[in-house]
Amino acid sequence: NSKVIQTPRYLVKGQGQKAKMRCIPEKGHPVVFWYQQNKNNEFKFLINFQNQEVLQQIDMTEKRFSAECPSNSPCSLEIQSSEAGDSALYLCASSLSRQGEDTQYFGPGTRLLVL
Amino acid sequence: GNSVTQMQGQVTLSEEEFLFINCTYSTTGYPTLFWYVQYPGEGPQLLLKVTTANNKGSSRGFEATYDKGTTSFHLQKASVQESDSAVYYCVLGDRRTNTGKLTFGDGTVLTVKP
Repeated sequence: NSKVIQTPRYLVKGQGQKAKMRCIPEKGHPVVFWYQQNKNNEFKFLINFQNQEVLQQIDMTEKRFSAECPSNSPCSLEIQSSEAGDSALYLCASSLSRQGEDTQYFGPGTRLLVL
Repeated sequence: GNSVTQMQGQVTLSEEEFLFINCTYSTTGYPTLFWYVQYPGEGPQLLLKVTTANNKGSSRGFEATYDKGTTSFHLQKASVQESDSAVYYCVLGDRRTNTGKLTFGDGTVLTVKP
């Protein structure tokens, strides 16, 4: 069973507000991923890190989304100005490596509702 | 780019019936294929994984075989139980990208009636 911890489990924000969520990866996993799962169960990759460095991110995250994985602190994903379309389940996953063949272990997610 | 297609959005079975979920993929890279299962209120969890080296994976009675010729990775189980009710995702990893990003299918909602 996955030991990825995500907090909070639920987040309710008004439009234009900041939304911040955190993730503690499995111990010993240097690679962390953030995905967005919408109400239609579609997954969108947002960003990933190896240790503290960004490996890849989509264009959307360069604008309103910011993320970091500081040393000895939880990773975080923050939406600077929430929009209704950001309502989704945000999933954090961790892995032993960035090789596509390694299993990613997912946390339970943070469900964001933007009113 | 990479893509995964699951044609069946929903499957409804009775207990002990045979399960078959269709999955096809497209990639120009070096695929590793996964089936993840997601229960309500939880994140996806690995069900099984197959690389080009081993072709077939199995777990908890589920089986999937990687077919490079038809680029398919169908999931099957001989006899489902009510507890198998969940959403099943066919997922593609690509060693070529070297970032680990996964490509998910749209998922198949499995409902097993007692």
